[in-house]
Formats: sequence, structure tokens, C-alpha cells
Amino acid sequence: DAGVTQSPTHLIKTRGQQVTLRCSPKSGHDTVSWYQQALGQGPQFIFQYYEEEERQRGNFPDRFSGHQFPNYSSELNVNALLLGDSALYLCASSTTSGVNTGELFFGEGSRLTVL
Amino acid sequence: AQSVTQPDIHITVSEGASLELRCNYSYGATPYLFWYVQSPGQGLQLLLKYFSGDTLVQGIKGFEAEFKRSQSSFNLRKPSVHWSDAAEYFCAVVPSGGYQKVTFGTGTKLQVIP
Repeated sequence: DAGVTQSPTHLIKTRGQQVTLRCSPKSGHDTVSWYQQALGQGPQFIFQYYEEEERQRGNFPDRFSGHQFPNYSSELNVNALLLGDSALYLCASSTTSGVNTGELFFGEGSRLTVL
Repeated sequence: AQSVTQPDIHITVSEGASLELRCNYSYGATPYLFWYVQSPGQGLQLLLKYFSGDTLVQGIKGFEAEFKRSQSSFNLRKPSVHWSDAAEYFCAVVPSGGYQKVTFGTGTKLQVIP
């Protein structure tokens, strides 16, 4: 049973560029959450997707957008990249009941470096 | 404001020694409580969780945590630390009921020395 998979694992972009990160949830999970983890910090909630809609959003600008597909996989898009967007981006999946209880299964993350 | 605090940024223990990592939360009502572990370059793995009931909860890898309502704390413990426990540990909370986001503390990095 594959867990949560994310791609790419590492990438380097320059300021002003756009990036797309991808996530496939654990089998049987229908909810995907995205987190940003800056160096030395805890993960910060970006948004959550369920039934192809954004259900919740954290304090991130509109440059951060996402999508969920019918197979429950998800993308995180960041436009107009800033140096401060350099971070580990974590995808977490859960079932609907798991969302209620906060039980998340994390991927290994996509490490984004913005130069 | 709702928050979760891990007062210790970095802790060093000797292999075989006991461990306690602190976590305090500030929420209107008792939230659901979690501890996650992150090994270098890895995602987060759930160690244990508390929803209600028995205030001492057992998790994977020999970890346990105790919920103390009076102190708004949920400290993580292990009687005997192994070198493989070296990692970063995050306390996390989510308000009970409804679809709520999980809020993480800033983490405690554990170093284990021989």
C-alpha cells in the first residue's frame, strides 16, 4: 500500500517564476492538506482540499493556489515566487473522519529553493 | 489566541537515558492532541494521539504522552532513548469537532549522544 507520494523531491527556481508541486494521497484517503515548513519551523497550514474544492485556507496570499483531481490527487501552485517561499512543502492526506480528528499521513515533501 | 508551544528548541540526551519533551497549548476547549516525529529529510510520522479518556496514551516506538488539563500540557516521554530516536518532534493540536486545520508547534530537535 503506497503512502503519500510527492513530486518533485527537490527543485530550484528563481524569483518571479511559478512552480507546481504534486501529491498523491494514501490509498483510501479523500482529503489533502498542504503545509509549508520553513527551515527550523513547524509546518504551517496552507489549505485543504476535499471533493475537488478548497475547504479551508491558512494565512497565505493568493499566489498560493491548488487543485484536487477526481482521483483525489492534488497540486499546489505558487506564482511570482519570492525568496521567502523557499521551504519544504508537505502534503498530508486523511480520510474525512481523519480530518475531523486531525490524523494526517504525510509525504516526504518537496524541497523548494528560490534564488 | 489559539496556540501551541514547545519551549525547548533543542534537547540532548544520552542513549539509554529517559526523555521528556514539553508541549503546552492555549485553546478555549480541550483540543485533540498529537505528537509527530520528523527524521532528517523526511515527512512527519504520527507517534501518538489523545482525543479523550485515559490521560496517559501509548504510541509507537515506545513513546507515551500524558495529558494534564490543569496545566494545558501534553508532554511526550520515553523511558530509555535509542540513538535512532534522534529527530525533530512536533506537538500538534486541532480543535475538536468539525473540519479544522492541524496547528503545529515549532518543534524540538532531539540529539542522542552515545
